[in-house]
Amino acid sequence: DAGVIQSPRHEVTEMGQEVTLRCKPISGHNSLFWYRQTMMRGLELLIYFNNNVPIDDSGMPEDRFSAKMPNASFSTLKIQPSEPRDSAVYFCASSLGLAGGRQYFGPGTRLTVT
Amino acid sequence: GIQVEQSPPDLILQEGANSTLRCNFSDSVNNLQWFHQNPWGQLINLFYIPSGTKQNGRLSATTVATERYSLLYISSSQTTDSGVYFCAGSGGSQGNLIFGKGTKLSVKP
Repeated sequence: DAGVIQSPRHEVTEMGQEVTLRCKPISGHNSLFWYRQTMMRGLELLIYFNNNVPIDDSGMPEDRFSAKMPNASFSTLKIQPSEPRDSAVYFCASSLGLAGGRQYFGPGTRLTVT
Repeated sequence: GIQVEQSPPDLILQEGANSTLRCNFSDSVNNLQWFHQNPWGQLINLFYIPSGTKQNGRLSATTVATERYSLLYISSSQTTDSGVYFCAGSGGSQGNLIFGKGTKLSVKP
């Protein structure tokens, strides 16, 4: 299998612009997770889906962040408007099952907001 | 929420040495996993180990769920083992992982 696919790998944008990050989970996995990694806060869960339904979005920092999963093979994380403090590496992961299950991470998207 | 504490925070080894990394949890977890983040940033799942012992080549892991800790053993370390090792877990029926701050390992040739 191709593993979890994320795009773009790098994104540089100006403050105030809209940013859309994309993720394709491993085929057959029914849970999808969005994480953010920064030096200050480490790895933190933003939101996760099971069978395309958002289960826990308590980690989403504020209303500027939104995530969708229109089908089993695609998810987006959108930031609008973006701010410099959103600069981070955003990871997508997928697993089989809801509670538990080994999580496999994509390569991440490095976002820089200037 | 669950707190995850990893030790040591930093570790420098000579190639060929063995090491033990530890992960303590503030509450019981049922979804414990170990990850390696290589110098290029890729996160690799090493073990899914809610309890017991598993081995994969030079790496092995042991989780004692009743005492809320897990250990990762690296034997005959190689320079390619360098990077940051994370443990993570979740409680109850939730799938969301809480990550520790990691152990940064540097293996010198």
